[in-house]
Amino acid sequence: DTEVTQTPKHLVMGMTNKKSLKCEQHMGHRAMYWYKQKAKKPPELMFVYSYEKLSINESVPSRFSPECPNSSLLNLHLHALQPEDSALYLCASSQVGQGGDIQYFGAGTRLSVL
Amino acid sequence: SQQGEEDPQALSIQEGENATMNCSYKTSINNLQWYRQNSGRGLVHLILIRSNEREKHSGRLRVTLDTSKKSSSLLITASRAADTASYFCATDSSGSARQLTFGSGTQLTVLP
Repeated sequence: DTEVTQTPKHLVMGMTNKKSLKCEQHMGHRAMYWYKQKAKKPPELMFVYSYEKLSINESVPSRFSPECPNSSLLNLHLHALQPEDSALYLCASSQVGQGGDIQYFGAGTRLSVL
Repeated sequence: SQQGEEDPQALSIQEGENATMNCSYKTSINNLQWYRQNSGRGLVHLILIRSNEREKHSGRLRVTLDTSKKSSSLLITASRAADTASYFCATDSSGSARQLTFGSGTQLTVLP
């Protein structure tokens, strides 16, 4: 199983809403990632978890709150977002150590903030 | 911040032709990867080349790496309509395998 599953596929939310994006993998990977991708742009790294601990936070605004409850799950909690936060949010996972260079991506959550 | 620039930004070819995409980067790397993204979907890893390698092949893909010029190229031979996608190079410029920086991408369209 080389699949990373993201839910929901699409999400529309108002600026005062609280919502969560979910990501799941069963490949035994111990590194998980959140990326943000705007249209016609490359993915931009937001957060990296390694062994369920936050290891990289690329100066992301606090309205984005990541959580890694266990080695298979990664959440991104959203609160008080702005319209410019509308984007495709991608989750990825990889091994740690040997072979850890290759990342496996989910299909993404298309987020629209009204 | 963006590590790499890719050119061309867009490329349109006929089925059966070869497609070449180029990537340039700014800082030293341990490896460079190429990923493919179909419209609005996740990225799929294609090939990885390490800094001590100059050329690598995988099926119809050929990747070259010139660390002196800080550049890489991806060649897709005998292209198919199904190869239509965006192609991104990615580098571990920070020295951390888990901190990939993606290039600006090339949108490839293969016409049947």
